[in-house]
Amino acid sequence: LAKTTQPISMDSYEGQEVNITCSHNNIATNDYITWYQQFPSQGPRFIIQGYKTKVTNEVASLFIPADRKSSTLSLPRVSLSDTAVYYCLVGVRRGGGNKLTFGTGTQLKVEL
Amino acid sequence: GAVVSQHPSRVICKSGTSVKIECRSLDFQATTMFWYRQFPKQSLMLMATSNEGSKATYEQGVEKDKFLINHASLTLSTLTVTSAHPEDSSFYICSAEPGSGGYEQYFGPGTRLTVT
Repeated sequence: LAKTTQPISMDSYEGQEVNITCSHNNIATNDYITWYQQFPSQGPRFIIQGYKTKVTNEVASLFIPADRKSSTLSLPRVSLSDTAVYYCLVGVRRGGGNKLTFGTGTQLKVEL
Repeated sequence: GAVVSQHPSRVICKSGTSVKIECRSLDFQATTMFWYRQFPKQSLMLMATSNEGSKATYEQGVEKDKFLINHASLTLSTLTVTSAHPEDSSFYICSAEPGSGGYEQYFGPGTRLTVT
């Protein structure tokens, strides 16, 4: 399973754009990149997933360069409620089950 | 859509007793569910993969006789912590993967287990 490396923490202010980069040098050809958000004492929440180039949904964008050895989660105009831990994962399907390994995650703190 | 529930949300039990935690996919079928454990200020650690109709696959270092997993239907998996001890106190989270071909997993809200 590909290992991921993220910054342990990041600070930002309301209204700013936040970019969190994740390194996954050993990503395999059929691995997808997925980002989750977790608030204290809650289960992780799916944010976005991609394989290559750029993916955008209503909450975030995911940028993946051609070599796929890293990815960047972009959160536009963050608010206090975006304070959470963000996990970058890469996963491969194994016989129908997608086994994911969580890294340390990035604690994002948003202030006024 | 894609909602996963867990019951109970928190439980306190005495050392030596067993506790069962349920994980349900409410609006989709999940042939595969996963169980994680999370200690305070730490990341999620995968404990086991639960496959409907077959035995669970446990991660290295996880005692299968202590953490019993049953995946009896396409919408329900249970984790039973047998003979619980204070060191088993943790946040237990399940996830389920829809069989629709996507790679995303949906997580339950977690169960806080406290063993006294």
